[in-house]
Amino acid sequence: GAGVSQSPRYKVTKRGQDVALRCDPISGHVSLYWYRQALGQGPEFLTYFNYEAQQDKSGLPNDRFSAERPEGSISTLTIQRTEQRDSAMYRCASSFGGGTGELFFGEGSRLTVL
Amino acid sequence: AQSVTQLDSHVSVSEGTPVLLRCNYSSSYSPSLFWYVQHPNKGLQLLLKYTSAATLVKGINGFEAEFKKSETSFHLTKPSAHMSDAAEYFCVVSEPSGTYKYIFGTGTRLKVLA
Repeated sequence: GAGVSQSPRYKVTKRGQDVALRCDPISGHVSLYWYRQALGQGPEFLTYFNYEAQQDKSGLPNDRFSAERPEGSISTLTIQRTEQRDSAMYRCASSFGGGTGELFFGEGSRLTVL
Repeated sequence: AQSVTQLDSHVSVSEGTPVLLRCNYSSSYSPSLFWYVQHPNKGLQLLLKYTSAATLVKGINGFEAEFKKSETSFHLTKPSAHMSDAAEYFCVVSEPSGTYKYIFGTGTRLKVLA
């Protein structure tokens, strides 16, 4: 597509529910990144993929968080048994890969856990 | 592991005066460095990037940054601030250490006074 697309843009859920956030990167982009941004903070690295392979998941806070990119394009970030502290903006970015190129960000998915 | 430190969380300048946003990095390798800007309720946009070519990098909207290896710095400057420059600015480091994580600083909020 023309840009990185994330859905849903806004998600309100109750504590204990599972949520799935979707990211559709720019066509042809090899690398896909997930970040979490709390209010007034910088984006915090969660995980990233090259093609379908998850290269680094060191930023995932705990085992309630998981991500996949099964066909090397669309990615899903899943949070199980959500907690109030999971409330944040979740941002997806894609790039051509290699670590020297521009990250292109989506508009983000704002998650609120009640 | 790589990291960045943005030395000022808030900077205020008068319109028409110079802007200086400070960033220091830590990296075991030759890093790539970036500045991103985030306007209120907007996504993240690349201002400029350094990837081991010229140490003085020019970006969009009149911004530039100088890579100084001896000082491990990558400060962002602009000769004359405009009201539209008011935003949050993030310094970002990526290093070719096998996994190309892009690590964001905590951000500097720039306020431009009329």
